[in-house]
Amino acid sequence: DAGITQSPRHKVTETGTPVTLRCHQTENHRYMYWYRQDPGHGLRLIHYSYGVKDTDKGEVSDGYSVSRSKTEDFLLTLESATSSQTSVYFCAISDPIYKPGQRDYGYTFGSGTRLTVV
Amino acid sequence: AQSVTQLDSQVPVFEEAPVELRCNYSSSVSVYLFWYVQYPNQGLQLLLKYLSGSTLVKGINGFEAEFNKSQTSFHLRKPSVHISDTAEYFCAVSGRNYGGSQGNLIFGKGTKLSVKP
Repeated sequence: DAGITQSPRHKVTETGTPVTLRCHQTENHRYMYWYRQDPGHGLRLIHYSYGVKDTDKGEVSDGYSVSRSKTEDFLLTLESATSSQTSVYFCAISDPIYKPGQRDYGYTFGSGTRLTVV
Repeated sequence: AQSVTQLDSQVPVFEEAPVELRCNYSSSVSVYLFWYVQYPNQGLQLLLKYLSGSTLVKGINGFEAEFNKSQTSFHLRKPSVHISDTAEYFCAVSGRNYGGSQGNLIFGKGTKLSVKP
């Protein structure tokens, strides 16, 4: 979607190697999120950020770390990739507050990164 | 914290028939509700959302959903489906943002809609 890009789009890596996925936004949104999507599980939240250097864990954070040193970038790192981390990873951004009569509120998703750990 | 239950993992239906995809949520705070569609090997596309106001929400591609606070439901409906509606549909909920994790968007496990000719 416009305003949010993920890189790389596809990656194959070996078990035990570190991997970093990047999410970049041009919308100046405060909130950023990382999800993973697996068949039968929907999208599950890994980590989220509510500002520069402000991050917190989601539902499935084990084995993942994140960093946000700038408003526009949110990095997801797999310190030592495992086969169970083979998945499609989505980044999302959002506006923090909805006020009737003011700007719209919602979540914008990136196109996803397909990660395969062999 | 919020949670979402999509009651059907798969829904087969014939072309031009009506369809309803069911979604129930749980939350201790007021919520925003969303439906997304995902076509094979593609990303997520927003179908519709409920933020406030009228409980009947109309979205793209002829879909609509009704927010029922007493039943904590947000079922998605379409009066006549097409082959092109074959996709996976996700219901999602977020708490009205008070800060912290309540504002996070939480997804159901998805419903695969299969439209047959």
